[in-house]
Amino acid sequence: GDSVTQMEGPVTLSEEAFLTINCTYTATGYPSLFWYVQYPGEGLQLLLKATKADDKGSNKGFEATYRKETTSFHLEKGSVQVSDSAVYFCALAILTGGGNKLTFGTGTQLKVEL
Amino acid sequence: NAGVMQNPRHLVRRRGQEARLRCSPMKGHSHVYWYRQLPEEGLKFMVYLQKENIIDESGMPKERFSAEFPKEGPSILRIQQVVRGDSAAYFCASSPPSRGRTGELFFGEGSRLTVL
Repeated sequence: GDSVTQMEGPVTLSEEAFLTINCTYTATGYPSLFWYVQYPGEGLQLLLKATKADDKGSNKGFEATYRKETTSFHLEKGSVQVSDSAVYFCALAILTGGGNKLTFGTGTQLKVEL
Repeated sequence: NAGVMQNPRHLVRRRGQEARLRCSPMKGHSHVYWYRQLPEEGLKFMVYLQKENIIDESGMPKERFSAEFPKEGPSILRIQQVVRGDSAAYFCASSPPSRGRTGELFFGEGSRLTVL
């Protein structure tokens, strides 16, 4: 079946450091890929997405590139801020008319310190 | 402009009792999804509903779990005769029909069930 593997957390960084959170996937079809973020006390919200190979999703300074050859969708940000502290979830879906059945990774907690 | 509302946020039940979790989708959203997050695991899909219809329940345990989304009122996830293994965070998400193929779901803050 489909699955998503993320690097384990927590990841602790100093403000302005470079961030990479690794994500790899296995899928039986051609998935769309997503990063969701969950800030403390809130629900998950979509951060960025990519729907085909070599697409780059970006939002709020975060980027991720759909790499079909390595089945990866690593999340990066050049300079993190304290406000980026959250749990980040990588996810995939085979999008059909049947709706959004997302397969999530276990989540990676990011802590950014001054 | 309320988001997805889930209640209760925290629920404690003893083994054998029933748990009912409620989800009100965002205004204008007619698609509801339930996910479960067990400790140290990712979110697992349980069920996808539209008004008065279960579209996909492939992630629901065969016994004790049921879900509904009536014409009026919130979606309800019901767990009968709870066991300790049901302790988890249950997340509801919604989307409008137009977003059905984009992967964007709007999540609630979750309901945390603890079974003693």
